[in-house]
Amino acid sequence: NAGVTQTPKFQVLKTGQSMTLQCAQDMNHEYMSWYRQDPGMGLRLIHYSVGAGITDQGEVPNGYNVSRSTTEDFPLRLLSAAPSQTSVYFCASSRTGFYGYTFGSGTRLTVV
Amino acid sequence: DQQVKQNSPSLSVQEGRISILNCDYTNSMFDYFLWYKKYPAEGPTFLISISSIKDKNEDGRFTVFLNKSAKHLSLHIVPSQPGDSAVYFCAAIPSSQGGSEKLVFGKGMKLTVNP
Repeated sequence: NAGVTQTPKFQVLKTGQSMTLQCAQDMNHEYMSWYRQDPGMGLRLIHYSVGAGITDQGEVPNGYNVSRSTTEDFPLRLLSAAPSQTSVYFCASSRTGFYGYTFGSGTRLTVV
Repeated sequence: DQQVKQNSPSLSVQEGRISILNCDYTNSMFDYFLWYKKYPAEGPTFLISISSIKDKNEDGRFTVFLNKSAKHLSLHIVPSQPGDSAVYFCAAIPSSQGGSEKLVFGKGMKLTVNP
C-alpha cells in the first residue's frame, strides 16, 4: 500500500534550471493536488486536477506547470527555478476532498 | 487575506489534559471543514472533518465543534498524549462553489504534549 509517492525527497537547483517533481498514487483517486508549505504560510494550493486530462490553477500557480495524462501520475514542472520557489512541496490525492486528502511525504526544494 | 485563521501558533499541555485548538474562517461559502495533523518530515494526515449541517463530530479522543454563526471551529483532544505532539492544520472547502478539490488551509498550530 504505497499511497502517494513523491520523488525526489530533496533537490537543490540553481536559479534558472528546470525540473519536474514526480507524484504517483495507486489508490485510483480522481482528485490530485500540489501544495507548497512555507514557514508561517501554511499549505498553499499550486495546481489541482479532478481527473485525467483536467487541470486547473490554485492560489499560487505562477512558475509551475502541470499535466495529468493518467489517473496515477501528476507531475509538477518548474520551468525556470527562482529562489522564491524554495519550499517543501506536497502532492495529495483524494477520492473527493470530503473524504480527506492523502499526502505524500514531500519534496524539499532549495533554489540557490 | 487569510480566509482560514489559526491565530495561536503554538500550544503546550500536560499529558492527560484536554487540548483545544481553535480555527476561525472568514468566507461564508465554506461549508466543510477538516483537520490535518503533521509530523516533521512527513506529509499531513487527515484527522477528522465536519459538515456545516452539524455542530459536532466525534472520533475517539478527537472531537470537532463548529459554530457557524461565529465562523469558528475547534478541535478537542481528550486525553492528550505525547504522540499527539505535531502541527495541526485547519482546512476548509467551499463546496457550494462547485467542488471539493480546493482545500484552503490555515497556517497551522504546533501542539506539544508534555509527559
